[in-house]
Amino acid sequence: DGGITQSPKYLFRKEGQNVTLSCEQNLNHDAMYWYRQDPGQGLRLIYYSQIVNDFQKGDIAEGYSVSREKKESFPLTVTSAQKNPTAFYLCASSIGPAGYNEQFFGPGTRLTVL
Amino acid sequence: QKEVEQNSGPLSVPEGAIASLNCTYSDRGSQSFFWYRQYSGKSPELIMSIYSNGDKEDGRFTAQLNKASQYVSLLIRDSQPSDSATYLCAGPGSARQLTFGSGTQLTVLP
Repeated sequence: DGGITQSPKYLFRKEGQNVTLSCEQNLNHDAMYWYRQDPGQGLRLIYYSQIVNDFQKGDIAEGYSVSREKKESFPLTVTSAQKNPTAFYLCASSIGPAGYNEQFFGPGTRLTVL
Repeated sequence: QKEVEQNSGPLSVPEGAIASLNCTYSDRGSQSFFWYRQYSGKSPELIMSIYSNGDKEDGRFTAQLNKASQYVSLLIRDSQPSDSATYLCAGPGSARQLTFGSGTQLTVLP
């Protein structure tokens, strides 16, 4: 079955730690995205990548980093510089550029800072 | 002004009624819009895409795009309790990325 997987489902981080969230897709999509969702809020774009080895900052990139070394994978690192990282993190992909193409989401990772 | 805005609700309708969800947008050049359904604690699921002016129907769902008035709507006919969820509208935003509304929470009362 084609789809997007994210791991882990739940993640707990201590103050000052960096953590990495995994996102893998087997849909052969070129574009991948990371969003953050806070309770009762919409989705805010953290980073996006339209092609391997290239990525762009979204609206709230500070305190986050990404890499896109393979078409299938787009991991997100939440660094200690992110002051309020507790949120629901969603990875998505689309066959082509966003704004024109449907995006599909993975199941999400819920990050909690202890 | 936000690029995509939703009437935030919450919205309650009785079972069997029509639920109407609305979204307005600021960019007159926008042509593609998407509706997602998000159950509590889950990720968004794409339920409708609309790329041209007018109506698009899929089962009990109808998406409507009115470019002159710059709004997009989603109608759910014969609403069921299983339709209770948050519905997110999305459309083109800055840097040609999708921008999402804040969502409308729908409750269908049995």
